[in-house]
Amino acid sequence: DQQVKQNSPSLSVQEGRISILNCDYTNSMFDYFLWYKKYPAEGPTFLISISSIKDKNEDGRFTVFLNKSAKHLSLHIVPSQPGDSAVYFCAASEGYGGSQGNLIFGKGTKLSVKP
Amino acid sequence: DTAVSQTPKYLVTQMGNDKSIKCEQNLGHDTMYWYKQDSKKFLKIMFSYNNKELIINETVPNRFSPKSPDKAHLNLHINSLELGDSAVYFCASSQGLPGQYYEQYFGPGTRLTVT
Repeated sequence: DQQVKQNSPSLSVQEGRISILNCDYTNSMFDYFLWYKKYPAEGPTFLISISSIKDKNEDGRFTVFLNKSAKHLSLHIVPSQPGDSAVYFCAASEGYGGSQGNLIFGKGTKLSVKP
Repeated sequence: DTAVSQTPKYLVTQMGNDKSIKCEQNLGHDTMYWYKQDSKKFLKIMFSYNNKELIINETVPNRFSPKSPDKAHLNLHINSLELGDSAVYFCASSQGLPGQYYEQYFGPGTRLTVT
């Protein structure tokens, strides 16, 4: 039972254009959401996060949007660069302390940015 | 200067053997984690320690025994290795407890292959 779903296993975008990565979740108790980027043979690297009290958070070229009613979040990368080519993981957690604070990860979306 | 480091990076061993993976973080974080990324690429929490105390154990077989000699180290010992233990194991750390809106920082991973 996947609580965090990334339905697109891959995405290809031209350099300079916008990349939009999507993530859906089923647990309405999730209140903290994160995006991680992962290069081959490396660990995931934290990119950006958002709490459920916000609907948008921006950091440079990266913006995360949260739509709580739709249980959907997205990561926008503008403009996309070839160095952004990686696997992007969406993660979510609920509550504080104990197992409820676990990060639940999606399966990842592989982004390819073509020069 | 590496924030979260793991050794070894690759580990090939036979079924029935006992092996350990070491993890160290120099971020001054209070909480450390072990994750397993299986063949389906899902990242799943295994254990979490806060200030050397176990706070999360996600029904991992008791062949897996984490040990935290101090809050900067969390080692993973695996007894009687099985084929299904083959995976990439990631160590991570965070400033606060799970669910406290702190991002987690990951190590580079240890690829374990059991033959």
